[in-house]
Amino acid sequence: DIQLTQSPSFLSASVGDRVTITCRASQGISSYLAWYQQKPGKAPKLLIYAASTLQSGVPSRFSGSGSGTEFTLTISSLQPEDFATYYCQQLNSYPLFTFGPGTKVDIK
Amino acid sequence: EVQLVQSGAEVKKPGESLKISCKGSGYSFTSYWIGWVRQMPGKGLEWMGIIYPGDSDTRYSPSFQGQVTISADKSISTAYLQWSSLKASDTAMYYCVRLRSGGIAVDSFDYWGQGTLVTVSS
Repeated sequence: DIQLTQSPSFLSASVGDRVTITCRASQGISSYLAWYQQKPGKAPKLLIYAASTLQSGVPSRFSGSGSGTEFTLTISSLQPEDFATYYCQQLNSYPLFTFGPGTKVDIK
Repeated sequence: EVQLVQSGAEVKKPGESLKISCKGSGYSFTSYWIGWVRQMPGKGLEWMGIIYPGDSDTRYSPSFQGQVTISADKSISTAYLQWSSLKASDTAMYYCVRLRSGGIAVDSFDYWGQGTLVTVSS
């Protein structure tokens, strides 16, 4: 089974900061990686799919990159509404989809 | 507008059965896989299984195979997740999701239901 790790698991940042979250897969997954944002008490929301394609309606300050085993989610200028938990997900080993453990972004 | 609307919160006792639902609207329900995702209290996301309502083809995560049953009624655009005998460890939020295919491969879970909280306690 493909395992995903995320780093860091927690980060504290200020409004306006550039934030980068890394997701690593235990084996190559091409570009079959998605990123989700979850706010407390809410359902997750799709941000990025195919490693780097922004979902419609998602602000352009979010971007994704990577392929193979290492991926990053970058928020270019953190906004108050971006404080949330972020999950990566691999969709390469259909139908065994796997989520990463999550990265919580908190206010410094 | 695509929507997945789930049934309401449930409180059950260990050993009881339960079936929760997810109604899709705003798209062709029979043309997209629907999945279920578990989130235990304070924990991360776990993929449980998927169903293709067009022909009821179903796949399960090994972690949930035999523990739950996923079904769908395409005549009313509704998918279901059911348990025959609940355990306290089934206490969690359950989300239904729509799987989007980019070409021939699934590339994301693009729409999520609002979640159904299941509490199992004696």
